[in-house]
Amino acid sequence: GQNIDQPTEMTATEGAIVQINCTYQTSGFNGLFWYQQHAGEAPTFLSYNVLDGLEEKGRFSSFLSRSKGYSYLLLKELQMKDSASYLCAVREIPGSSNTGKLIFGQGTTLQVKP
Amino acid sequence: DVKVTQSSRYLVKRTGEKVFLECVQDMDHENMFWYRQDPGLGLRLIYFSYDVKMKEKGDIPEGYSVSREKKERFSLILESASTNQTSMYLCASSSRREGPADTQYFGPGTRLTVL
Repeated sequence: GQNIDQPTEMTATEGAIVQINCTYQTSGFNGLFWYQQHAGEAPTFLSYNVLDGLEEKGRFSSFLSRSKGYSYLLLKELQMKDSASYLCAVREIPGSSNTGKLIFGQGTTLQVKP
Repeated sequence: DVKVTQSSRYLVKRTGEKVFLECVQDMDHENMFWYRQDPGLGLRLIYFSYDVKMKEKGDIPEGYSVSREKKERFSLILESASTNQTSMYLCASSSRREGPADTQYFGPGTRLTVL
């Protein structure tokens, strides 16, 4: 079966560091994505991992361990504007089409407090 | 910048009506997707298309159909709307030529209410 788990809610303080975890069990794996979604807006792409290890992009980093079925998104120097939902999505191996489907977790709502 | 637009931000329809949701992308992407997003359930794939006139069912296709007559446009059709189809509908597009590894880019969403 397919299952992606993330915490439902997290709270952190402005200026701090927060780590949002994602564990997955899927029938095939072809990469993991993190998206940010502010309330009432479209999800926007943050990061992509397909190999084990850490990908750093400014204040945001994403880590992947394929053997453990585990990823995390690390947000440093938190700002109030980082209050949003963070969606973890695993891409399946393509079938007859040229692109694999994305399977999304429920999302983690992060609240940043002053 | 990738631009994905959806025909309406908010839509209110009555049970039994036929509903069309339109999505247009301006980046010549070959892949287009329709999702619905519900609290506690996340984004779920309804249908996707990897070429003109080509479509594949996603995880929850029941009660929906799609049409892709032109590369830039992907329509979601609710043949007979029901109250359990009240949701946020998100369209996305992607291309292996765009972004890292065929990243999906989303439109602003249509919040559909079926009364």
